[in-house]
Amino acid sequence: QKEVEQNSGPLSVPEGAIASLNCTYSDRVSQSFFWYRQYSGKSPELIMSIYSNGDKEDGRFTAQLNKASQYVSLLIRDSQPSDSATYLCAVMTFMDSNYQLIWGAGTKLIIKP
Amino acid sequence: GAVVSQHPSWVICKSGTSVKIECRSLDFQATTMFWYRQFPKQSLMLMATSNEGSKATYEQGVEKDKFLINHASLTLSTLTVTSAHPEDSSFYICSAGGRLAVGETQYFGPGTRLLVL
Repeated sequence: QKEVEQNSGPLSVPEGAIASLNCTYSDRVSQSFFWYRQYSGKSPELIMSIYSNGDKEDGRFTAQLNKASQYVSLLIRDSQPSDSATYLCAVMTFMDSNYQLIWGAGTKLIIKP
Repeated sequence: GAVVSQHPSWVICKSGTSVKIECRSLDFQATTMFWYRQFPKQSLMLMATSNEGSKATYEQGVEKDKFLINHASLTLSTLTVTSAHPEDSSFYICSAGGRLAVGETQYFGPGTRLLVL
């Protein structure tokens, strides 16, 4: 069973601080990793993708990938109340002759003003 | 990014009726579409995966005769909840992907809220 694990939270972070969200995965050969944000009552939206070891930065967001340790993380700098949401980690893996996205259960992030 | 639409966004129906939800990829061809269900304060649950022109693959525990999926074209998939009951009330979300390969992912529609009275 290929799995993606996330701490469900809630993770509470003061406004302006760095929020750090973590995700671990079980399939060693996974090649593509994604972070989605889901606001309450809305559908998920893609915010970051990462394919190579190291860091990838996009504005206030930085995705970090470590394939040897099988974890991927998302850092949010200068956290804002509008960043409060559930963050879903998704890992693309090859299963049953198809590429499939395996989803984590999500981490609820709360940014306190 | 790619745009996926869903219609309707809200539906309220009486128990026993059938409800059809449409999912369209507006600016790309989606060879694969996914249907998810999400109950309040719970995670996304994949219901089924559909490939254009072939039968959908349902996840364990999802009744294929109750949740009918049709993926007749590269831009349209429909989910029909047959004989809906109050326990089917949920947030139904579709997502669409191109040929899933390294580097590609899924893009979500805005979701459809179903309330069965």
